Amino acid sequence: EVQLVQSGPEVKKPGESLKISCTGSGYEFAKYWLGWVRQRPGKGLEWVGLIHPGESDAIYDPSFEGLVTMSADWSINTAYLQLSGLRASDSAMYYCGRSVGYSSCLSNWGQGALVTVSS
Amino acid sequence: DIQMTQSPSALSASVGDRVTVTCRASQTVRGWVAWYQHKPGKAPQLVVDDTSRSERRFPSRFSGGASGTDFTLTISSLQPEDSATYYCQHYTASSATFGQGTKVEI
Repeated sequence: EVQLVQSGPEVKKPGESLKISCTGSGYEFAKYWLGWVRQRPGKGLEWVGLIHPGESDAIYDPSFEGLVTMSADWSINTAYLQLSGLRASDSAMYYCGRSVGYSSCLSNWGQGALVTVSS
Repeated sequence: DIQMTQSPSALSASVGDRVTVTCRASQTVRGWVAWYQHKPGKAPQLVVDDTSRSERRFPSRFSGGASGTDFTLTISSLQPEDSATYYCQHYTASSATFGQGTKVEI
């Protein structure tokens, strides 16, 4: 069974950095693209980008370019989303998901990682 | 970039009703369209991909379709467990855009 397990909730202060993890199991982690999605409180889903864990090839949505960094360590089946210079507007639930083939459609999702930025 | 305008933003219907949610693309779609179901406190779940291919985990009452730049998700006979927010997504190999979401209440 394909499973993605994300790191737990985080509370950070403005200006701090954070790395969210997403660990996959039940499939060949290095071979499937993995996407990231943001959902701010009370708002809809926003596409962040895609990363190929095996090749560390990353494609960012223009809205998130320079604001986040995607990375992966296929040897431990884990992908990361790094947020730097946190602002209150970064407070959100962040989801990872496994792509359907080579696409930005996500067939299996993590449970989400809640990030709260507050002074 | 293609924008997906989803309507309605919310709807209330009764058990057994036929419900249709629509996403209108701002231009001819060069990729594909998917639909997700999102319940509070849970991860989103893929319902339909490639415009009309339904996921096995969902019952046959869920179906996707398209006509020109209009894409639809239809629930043929609404059930209590279908209460959720539904999102459309235009996607390609390297990018994606979500609609604003439709909250379906029973």
